[in-house]
Amino acid sequence: DGGITQSPKYLFRKEGQNVTLSCEQNLNHDAMYWYRQDPGQGLRLIYYSQIVNDFQKGDIAEGYSVSREKKESFPLTVTSAQKNPTAFYLCASSFRDGYNEQFFGPGTRLTVL
Amino acid sequence: EDQVTQSPEALRLQEGESSSLNCSYTVSGLRGLFWYRQDPGKGPEFLFTLYSAGEEKEKERLKATLTKKESFLHITAPKPEDSATYLCAVQGRYSSASKIIFGSGTRLSIRP
Repeated sequence: DGGITQSPKYLFRKEGQNVTLSCEQNLNHDAMYWYRQDPGQGLRLIYYSQIVNDFQKGDIAEGYSVSREKKESFPLTVTSAQKNPTAFYLCASSFRDGYNEQFFGPGTRLTVL
Repeated sequence: EDQVTQSPEALRLQEGESSSLNCSYTVSGLRGLFWYRQDPGKGPEFLFTLYSAGEEKEKERLKATLTKKESFLHITAPKPEDSATYLCAVQGRYSSASKIIFGSGTRLSIRP
């Protein structure tokens, strides 16, 4: 079955640690996205990638980094510079940036201890 | 500035009690309006895309409609399994998919 997978489902981070969230898709989509979801707020875009080896900052990129070395993979690193990282992180993909629907993975819940 | 406002924030219905969720939007030329369903602790599940005023789409007990300023998600004779948060999102005509704006959602609860 085609889809988007994210791992881990739950992640705990200590102060000062960097952590990496995995996102893989087998939909053959060119574009991939990372969103952050906080209670009572809409999804906020962190980073997006329209094509392999290229990515752009979204609205809240500070304290995060990404890479796009393969079409299928778009990992997100939450660095120690992100002061309030506790949130639900969602990865999404679309056929091509500008081609409408985005499809989402199951999410990763990150908690800072 | 593109904006999406969903109302109500929360809605509790009795099983079988039909109702509608509202999504009001401001965008410079609508390219697409999207509805998603999100269960607690899970990623949003795509439901519909609407492109132009007057368009309607249906899936089981759900029907989405679109005007030039808002979209409605009508739920007919809902069942408890329809309980979820429903998200609306819009994309402007001059925006890429990366510029999709999401509303904060309506939390729907259906009592048996």
